[in-house]
Parts: sequence; C-alpha cells; structure tokens
Amino acid sequence: RKEVEQDPGPFNVPEGATVAFNCTYSNSASQSFFWYRQDCRKEPKLLMSVYSSGNEDGRFTAQLNRASQYISLLIRDSKLSDSATYLCVVTGGSTLGRLYFGRGTQLTVWP
Amino acid sequence: EAGVAQSPRYKIIEKRQSVAFWCNPISGHATLYWYQQILGQGPKLLIQFQNNGVVDDSQLPKDRFSAERLKGVDSTLKIQPAKLEDSAVYLCASSLTTRDRGLDEQFFGPGTRLTVL
Repeated sequence: RKEVEQDPGPFNVPEGATVAFNCTYSNSASQSFFWYRQDCRKEPKLLMSVYSSGNEDGRFTAQLNRASQYISLLIRDSKLSDSATYLCVVTGGSTLGRLYFGRGTQLTVWP
Repeated sequence: EAGVAQSPRYKIIEKRQSVAFWCNPISGHATLYWYQQILGQGPKLLIQFQNNGVVDDSQLPKDRFSAERLKGVDSTLKIQPAKLEDSAVYLCASSLTTRDRGLDEQFFGPGTRLTVL
C-alpha cells in the first residue's frame, strides 16, 4: 500500500472555477502535511502546509481530517497560472524530515 | 539567496554505463536529500544526509546506487551500472531540518533528467 494516494486527474477547468483535490495517507503516525506545486518540467515547490484546524492562503484552502487520514486542497477562482501538478505530501517514519509524496494531481485551467 | 544547484541538467547514457550527479545545497542547510522522480509519479526519497552522515538510505538500491556528502556540503549521487528503469529526474533538495531545529521547508534544485538507452 502506498503511503500517499492521490487521484492523478487530469482536471480540466475553466478560469474562475472552483476545484478540489483530495488525498489519503496510510500512516496514522504522520505529523506534518503539505501541498507542493510542480510546474511542467520544473522542481516541486511548497504551496502550503496543512493544519488540523484548516488553513487558507488567498484562493487556496487546505483541510486535514486526521480521523479519516484525508487531506484536501480547494482552489477558488482558478487562474490560468494555477495550471500545474499538485503533490500531496506527508511526513512519516522515524526519520525527521522524511517526506512521502503522492503521485500528484494534474490541473489545467483553460481560458 | 542562491537556490539548490544541480548538474548536469540532462544526461543520456546507455545501459550498463555509469553516471554521476552533483548537488550544491543552499548555504547553511544541514540536511540534504536525493529523490528519484519517474515520469507520472511523485518524488521518491533515495537518501537523506544530515551534515556528512547518512540518516536514511532505506530506499537506495545499494547494489548500483551510491551517494556521498563529503565535508557536509556538496553531494554526489552515482549509478553504476545503469538500467533502463533508472530513467528519471533526480532531484536534490536541502533544508534547515535538524533534531534541534525541528522540521523545516525543503527546497528543491532543478533536477537532472537522466535517460538510459
């Protein structure tokens, strides 16, 4: 069983749409959770951390449900520049700083 | 501030040849990571260093992959001999994460795209 499972998409949405991505993780001991963004043929970059209380950064909202081991990312008012792959990431294991990445969900926003 | 540097950016080799990748982390970052990202998948950790010591190499195929971080700064990752399935992007990342400091953000380099023919 993979540490992090994500729907790979692709999601194709028009500008201005709201889109939601989900992922699940298998290790109940995971302590930290993130969404990374990866543009085509570029390196991953941290988009936002995910907290149990939920957190928002502009048009982006992340939610964590520890009981269900489920993480979500909501993007409101999609922009063309949001087109990218969104990677769900969790920590786990005994090594501090070790990250487990999902396979990513591909988003294309069209005009 | 300079980011994580990697070279070469692209490499094409034939199977059974050897190849080496180089990474220079962000100055002051104690922890360095090498990841393998196969097309259509997320990055998978190969090895994690703190300073010049290995803290996790459980996913490194040690029969063909090796890595070192001499002097706790730059690092090299080597594959010998390469197989077709090693075709991937090899990403280096660094962070300030330590036991004393706690978890900190990982910053990735641009990667080396390896094609094995």
